[in-house]
Amino acid sequence: DAKTTQPPSMDCAEGRAANLPCNHSTISGNEYVYWYRQIHSQGPQYIIHGLKNNETNEMASLIITEDRKSSTLILPHATLRDTAVYYCIVRVPFMIKAAGNKLTFGGGTRVLVKP
Amino acid sequence: GAVVSQHPSRVICKSGTSVKIECRSLDFQATTMFWYRQFPKQSLMLMATSNEGSKATYEQGVEKDKFLINHASLTLSTLTVTSAHPEDSSFYICSASTGKNTEAFFGQGTRLTVV
Repeated sequence: DAKTTQPPSMDCAEGRAANLPCNHSTISGNEYVYWYRQIHSQGPQYIIHGLKNNETNEMASLIITEDRKSSTLILPHATLRDTAVYYCIVRVPFMIKAAGNKLTFGGGTRVLVKP
Repeated sequence: GAVVSQHPSRVICKSGTSVKIECRSLDFQATTMFWYRQFPKQSLMLMATSNEGSKATYEQGVEKDKFLINHASLTLSTLTVTSAHPEDSSFYICSASTGKNTEAFFGQGTRLTVV
């Protein structure tokens, strides 16, 4: 699975949009971009994933560049409960690569939402 | 999303004893489960991949005789830390996938403290 690069930390103001960048310059054609977050002392929580089109759900939006070498996770209105470590992962989706369904975590971005 | 439950959420054990951690998929059948370990302020490190009805696949550097994994049914995988030592104290997290969905679901984690 391709490696990703994320800033180690960032702060954002409550109520404002939080834009979390991720570089994945070695992504291959069949690899998706996944985002998870981990609130302190909890298991990771799935947020969103995408291949090449921008995606939006109730939690966030995912913007993927045309060359797919980078992406941005957008939390439209950050709340204090969004304080967490956010992980960007690129991999072949589980339904394609049934054997060795690994999800490998990098360092992530520690996001602190401030009042 | 689907629910994955871990038990116990916290456990304290004496050095030299064994501890069993359970991971259950509550509303789906998990053909594959993953076990991770996370030390303070570090990312999740994959320990092993557990496939229902077959032997687990361990990551390099993880002792299979120390971390026994059993995946006897499509809804339950167990991790047994044998002859625990203080350095085994960590946050253990399981994840489950059907192989059909495009994301994995995580348990809430188990905080193991060996004294």
